[in-house]
Amino acid sequence: DIQVTQFPSSLSASVGDRVTITCRASQTIRDYFNWYQQKPGQAPKLLISAASKLQTGVPSRFSGSGFGTDFTLTISSLQPEDFATYFCQQSFKTPLTFGGGTKVEIK
Amino acid sequence: QVQLVQSGAEVQRPGASVKVFCKASGNTFSSFDIDWVRQAPGQGLEWMGWMNPKTGISDYAQQFQGRVTMTWDTPSSTAYMQLSSLRSEDTAVYFCTRHLAGTTSFYGLDVWGQGTTVTVSS
Repeated sequence: DIQVTQFPSSLSASVGDRVTITCRASQTIRDYFNWYQQKPGQAPKLLISAASKLQTGVPSRFSGSGFGTDFTLTISSLQPEDFATYFCQQSFKTPLTFGGGTKVEIK
Repeated sequence: QVQLVQSGAEVQRPGASVKVFCKASGNTFSSFDIDWVRQAPGQGLEWMGWMNPKTGISDYAQQFQGRVTMTWDTPSSTAYMQLSSLRSEDTAVYFCTRHLAGTTSFYGLDVWGQGTTVTVSS
């Protein structure tokens, strides 16, 4: 199975801060990599697919980068509605595997 | 509007089975596989498997093989996930979702159901 390691597991930030979350896959997965946002009591929401493709309706302050094994999600200027938990995921092959999540909290 | 609507919360005894449904609407699921992902309380996301509504072909995560069955009812456009021999560790929210079918590798799970809470308790 492909392991996905995500860090940090949590972070505190202020509105307007630039935030970066990183994931590493245990083997190369090209760009079959996705990012999700989850708020309490809700289903995950796909933010970015194919490592860097922003989904329709997702604000441009979100961006993704990476290829192979190392991937990054960046929020350029954190907004109040961005406080949530973020998960990364590889979809190169099954079993699909997720990172452990990063909880973004208000400082 | 593309949507997945799931059945309501369930409470089951250890050793019993649970069957969760996921009704698809929006007429755009013919090219998609349906996945099931679960989330234990306060924990991360765990993929359980997928099934193709057209062919019935499925791919289950190893830890669920022998206990999970994923099916599709074409007339009602509804996916079902049955998990048997329940234990307390199966207490979780179960989500249905989808990905584009036809390839080994794919991009993203783009539509999700609202989740179904399954509690396993004696």
